[in-house]
Amino acid sequence: VLAQSPGTLSLSPGERATLSCRASQSVSSSDLAWYQQKPGQAPRLLIYAASTRATGIPDRFSGSGSATDFTLTISRLEPEDFAVYYCQQSGRTSWTFGQGTKVEIK
Amino acid sequence: QVQLVESGGGLVTPGGSLRLSCAASGFTFKDYYMSWIRQAPGQGLEWIAYIRGSGSYINYADSVKGRFTISRDNAKNTLFLQMNSLRVEDTALYYCARNKPFDSWGQGTLVTVSS
Repeated sequence: VLAQSPGTLSLSPGERATLSCRASQSVSSSDLAWYQQKPGQAPRLLIYAASTRATGIPDRFSGSGSATDFTLTISRLEPEDFAVYYCQQSGRTSWTFGQGTKVEIK
Repeated sequence: QVQLVESGGGLVTPGGSLRLSCAASGFTFKDYYMSWIRQAPGQGLEWIAYIRGSGSYINYADSVKGRFTISRDNAKNTLFLQMNSLRVEDTALYYCARNKPFDSWGQGTLVTVSS
């Protein structure tokens, strides 16, 4: 099980966003990814292997963490970054998503 | 460019069946894991099944195990999801996605289970 916090983050453009993903059991860093989803759109891969940005992802997005605690940081929020973010693990058997964190404009 | 196009969704009564397809193009389909992921209205994402490139290994979420079957036709670059014994709680937008992690997604096909 992946537990994301907070459920909703209310911030202003230009602010820093810190999103948490906590696993009930240890997850290999190579198996931890982050996705962004905007209304009416399919999710988009942001970060894989806990800290590697996917192709075309701006460097204001960064991932960190290991074992049971992972973090997605958006250094300075741009208007297009307000969305829902999901962490996801693809371990040996069952793959799971966190319940999501909504980043909304304050 | 990578393209994934789902089809086959629709309205079905509880206990019914439906077969979803995902047509892939722009990459060597047989070389990639493929998955089905769903999203109930207003809810989060739920991974439900994956299949390795060769089809040699398959895994399911507990919520669909024994009712859903994932398969692929590498000659036709197509992924399938056979859904049997459908329940109201299976109502969702169903996405297919490539690779592990999911680096490309389709736009989804809507499945509604209702009497």
